[in-house]
Amino acid sequence: GQQLNQSPQSMFIQEGEDVSMNCTSSSIFNTWLWYKQDPGEGPVLLIALYKAGELTSNGRLTAQFGTTRKDSFLNISASIPSDVGIYFCAGYNAGNNRKLIWGLGTSLAVNP
Amino acid sequence: SAVISQKPSRDICQRGTSLTIQCQVDSQVTMMFWYRQQPGQSLTLIATANQGSEATYESGFVIDKFPISRPNLTFSTLTVSNMSPEDSSIYLCSAGDNYGYTFGSGTRLTVV
Repeated sequence: GQQLNQSPQSMFIQEGEDVSMNCTSSSIFNTWLWYKQDPGEGPVLLIALYKAGELTSNGRLTAQFGTTRKDSFLNISASIPSDVGIYFCAGYNAGNNRKLIWGLGTSLAVNP
Repeated sequence: SAVISQKPSRDICQRGTSLTIQCQVDSQVTMMFWYRQQPGQSLTLIATANQGSEATYESGFVIDKFPISRPNLTFSTLTVSNMSPEDSSIYLCSAGDNYGYTFGSGTRLTVV
């Protein structure tokens, strides 16, 4: 099935550093979502984006909906150890039965 | 956003048997989905659980193997039938509302 191109695949950073990851698609979406998944848990929604060009923050997290509607990025500022996990982007269109299309994930490790 | 209770959280099953996973949402939701996820990998949609009608399955998944029930707007079950070791995976329930998609904590299934 269709998947989003998410990069980087993995990151290993020092505590306090900023992190950036992005997702691109060959088709447009009218909603982009960013999730974080901890081991043994389901994905947890971090940020939802509904409008092209939209920039939304949630604490130290900032995400943007690309103006072409084919991409999105997520930034994490001043990383802390609890940011460790796998981050997934996902997109959907209301016309496609709201079925989510997923990225392959970015695994983040933070060295304290 | 909706809160999902999924159970069991994990199980070890004998090959050839079946396991039913339950998903309870604390509010009425329009959309409910079932996913499969291998550890460290992205999510694969199994089917959309439709209230009052047959589930809509994705390519590679069939009703005989993964029968789904959705008797009302807050509850759904997924059965993994005639299990083999290849069915060992994490199974996740998801519910969609106006804010995005919420996930249960998953069922970690091991088939021996």
